[in-house]
Amino acid sequence: KAGVTQTPRYLIKTRGQQVTLSCSPISGHRSVSWYQQTPGQGLQFLFEYFSETQRNKGNFPGRFSGRQFSNSRSEMNVSTLELGDSALYLCASSFEGSSGELFFGEGSRLTVL
Amino acid sequence: SQKIEQNSEALNIQEGKTATLTCNYTNYSPAYLQWYRQDPGRGPVFLLLIRENEKEKRKERLKVTFDTTLKQSLFHITASQPADSATYLCALDKDSGYSTLTFGKGTMLLVSP
Repeated sequence: KAGVTQTPRYLIKTRGQQVTLSCSPISGHRSVSWYQQTPGQGLQFLFEYFSETQRNKGNFPGRFSGRQFSNSRSEMNVSTLELGDSALYLCASSFEGSSGELFFGEGSRLTVL
Repeated sequence: SQKIEQNSEALNIQEGKTATLTCNYTNYSPAYLQWYRQDPGRGPVFLLLIRENEKEKRKERLKVTFDTTLKQSLFHITASQPADSATYLCALDKDSGYSTLTFGKGTMLLVSP
């Protein structure tokens, strides 16, 4: 069974630009969560989607948004990039009905210059 | 809001010894607690889950304890090996009730030969 796939793995943007990250969950998983990881703050929850609906949202500004498609694939978008958005963005999928263990992708490393 | 504390200092131990990592939490009574392993530049990997009504869980060389009175979990690796060197993250279910987790910042374990 293929794992969680995130693209792109690395990207460099400049302040003010926007970025879209993609995540393909494990087949059969309908819940997709996004996390931001930085050295100072650790892993912070961004949002969670299930069956194309956002069920939960973390404490991030509106510049961070996401969506989920009917095939459970998910994208997140960050607009008007700031230097502080430089981070590893991790996507995780889970099987509804499980106890919540998450299966993470390898992440998308975003650098904002 | 939920708060999780893990020892921010790296834990250095010798090969063959038992490593013990600590996770303390406040302002919440989680239904379950999870431990993940993360290698540099990689996504976290699920290791163990322990529920609120369980005192101890084992998996091969790993053992997790959960004390809901102390609001603490201990994670043990017996007969540690250099390959166990990684950052270990503690996570508990968010109070939203959905498949999302709140993570501690992790403790780095270094096992020397």
